[in-house]
Amino acid sequence: EVQLVESGGGLVQPGGSLRLSCAASGFTVSSNYMSWVRQAPGKGLEWVSVIYSGGSTYYADSLKGRFTISRDNSKNTLYLQMNSLRAEDTAVYYCVRESQSTAAFDYWGQGTLVTVSS
Amino acid sequence: DIQMTQSPSSLSASVGDRVTITCRASQSISRYLNWYQQKPGKAPKLLIYAASSLQGGVPSRFSGSGSGTDFTLTISSLQPEDFATYYCQHSYSIPWTFGQGTKVEIK
Repeated sequence: EVQLVESGGGLVQPGGSLRLSCAASGFTVSSNYMSWVRQAPGKGLEWVSVIYSGGSTYYADSLKGRFTISRDNSKNTLYLQMNSLRAEDTAVYYCVRESQSTAAFDYWGQGTLVTVSS
Repeated sequence: DIQMTQSPSSLSASVGDRVTITCRASQSISRYLNWYQQKPGKAPKLLIYAASSLQGGVPSRFSGSGSGTDFTLTISSLQPEDFATYYCQHSYSIPWTFGQGTKVEIK
């Protein structure tokens, strides 16, 4: 059974940093396309970043180099390093697998809440 | 970036009603269009991929159509468990973007 379990969210001050983790089971992270998608409170969904099986990474333009996606193949875990956090980064962050055959987000984690506030 | 616009933003319907949600892309995306359902406090769930293909386990009352810039999600007979927010998303080119969502409420 495919499972994605995020952790690492919490309250952080503006300008601070946080690293989110996503532990995967039932499939191999390094063989798949993995994304982070976020949702601000009461708002819609926003794609944040993707790491492809070959290692290429891409980001939403709005992040302007503040976030870094990575993975640890030995731990089958996806990460999102978030620096210089702003109030507008407050959101639930979902770890998502993108099916290579359908180009759709077929498995989602339960999400982890990041709150940026002083 | 490709902009996705859904309409309506919300609708009220009764159990048994036929419901149609539309999604328009700011440029042609062929059939690279997916639909998701999200219930309060839960992660989104994939319903339809590639504009019209039903994800495994999704009831057949859900269907999708369209290509190019205009797409629709149809629920043929609304059930109590279908009251939720629905999002379209393109997978044509990075950055992936979502529509703003359509909230389906009980009339």
